[in-house]
Amino acid sequence: GQQLNQSPQSMFIQEGEDVSMNCTSSSIFNTWLWYKQDPGEGPVLLIALYKAGELTSNGRLTAQFGITRKDSFLNISASIPSDVGIYFCAGQYNAGNMLTFGGGTRLMVKP
Amino acid sequence: DGGITQSPKYLFRKEGQNVTLSCEQNLNHDAMYWYRQDPGQGLRLIYYSQIVNDFQKGDIAEGYSVSREKKESFPLTVTSAQKNPTAFYLCASSWTSGRADEQFFGPGTRLTVL
Repeated sequence: GQQLNQSPQSMFIQEGEDVSMNCTSSSIFNTWLWYKQDPGEGPVLLIALYKAGELTSNGRLTAQFGITRKDSFLNISASIPSDVGIYFCAGQYNAGNMLTFGGGTRLMVKP
Repeated sequence: DGGITQSPKYLFRKEGQNVTLSCEQNLNHDAMYWYRQDPGQGLRLIYYSQIVNDFQKGDIAEGYSVSREKKESFPLTVTSAQKNPTAFYLCASSWTSGRADEQFFGPGTRLTVL
């Protein structure tokens, strides 16, 4: 199965900095999701996007559904130590289809 | 308190032995999924089931088997035929409408084969 290209693979930033990561695909998706996984735990859904061009926020997190439907972006503003973890993007073509996951971005925050 | 449970959290087995990982959900979800996670890679689908007594292979089903005798339970057996079984295994569940934001994950089982 296809995997999404997610970048960067890892980031090491200072507390308070903003973070950007993205996900690209060669195929169109009609739903984009962003998950966060804490070490040794299962992923937790952060934001779901359902419409091309959509921009959605959840606290300090903002995600965008690319206009071509082949990419998505996640921004975290004013990072804090508890933002540490692995962030995954996932795409779904239609309801009932399986999810396709990116390889993850590992975020490390220095206090 | 609704959710998905996986047990055990850590599992060690000798090479050549079959091992079964447990996944239970009390969310009344129809569909259940098993994913494998390796360092630096995304989640890869092993098997999924959308209804009791029926299941489908995912992208990496070789060396694994599942059963779905009850709606709330979807155990995964890692057989000796799986060439590289050491990994983090995640179970998830959702409604059969399959809306992406309704897929919930369990806490995972880390399997180490010695």
